[in-house]
Amino acid sequence: NAGVTQTPKFQVLKTGQSMTLQCAQDMNHNSMYWYRQDPGMGLRLIYYSASEGTTDKGEVPNGYNVSRLNKREFSLRLESAAPSQTSVYFCASSERDRGRTNEKLFFGSGTQLSVL
Amino acid sequence: GDSVTQMEGPVTLSEEAFLTINCTYTATGYPSLFWYVQYPGEGLQLLLKATKADDKGSNKGFEATYRKETTSFHLEKGSVQVSDSAVYFCALRVYNFNKFYFGSGTKLNVKP
Repeated sequence: NAGVTQTPKFQVLKTGQSMTLQCAQDMNHNSMYWYRQDPGMGLRLIYYSASEGTTDKGEVPNGYNVSRLNKREFSLRLESAAPSQTSVYFCASSERDRGRTNEKLFFGSGTQLSVL
Repeated sequence: GDSVTQMEGPVTLSEEAFLTINCTYTATGYPSLFWYVQYPGEGLQLLLKATKADDKGSNKGFEATYRKETTSFHLEKGSVQVSDSAVYFCALRVYNFNKFYFGSGTKLNVKP
């Protein structure tokens, strides 16, 4: 029962470096999400993918790109990291909307990213 | 736009005290409402949910009632335990949209 798996768990970058956060789910979910968590601001949606082959911007997409590689995997890329991107990043997934019964987000354990 | 506002923390209580964490929402449609809990070093996990007005969600002694007239979904527990120490997030999802909106989180500290 792996659920949602994120890698890496910790990362330190220098300003201007690039990196990709990986996320995979084994629950056959259609929808996947990337959130960032900052103190006092809760979770903010960066990007989401309603289904394989589609991606949409969330509340705070600037400085990020995403790829929905297949149904299982949804990666988040920082092309040129900035100190303002220091945060904890969470990947999540949910089932296709077939009504309200199965509405639920499943979260990974997070990636703690520091940009110096 | 859609949003969730919840009370700021931290909230510090003694074991067996009564807990209320306030949550209000703004939504353009007919949202489902959720409470998620985050234990230290972990991701969020669903605590309870309610999908329509006057529904009560409950789990592990926690309860919340969907109040459309006051646009609220306050979390309550009659007797907290040290193991309830965590960060609690109120969230909403508007039907037919695949986006979940979260509040800023409320940290609960329960002392023995």
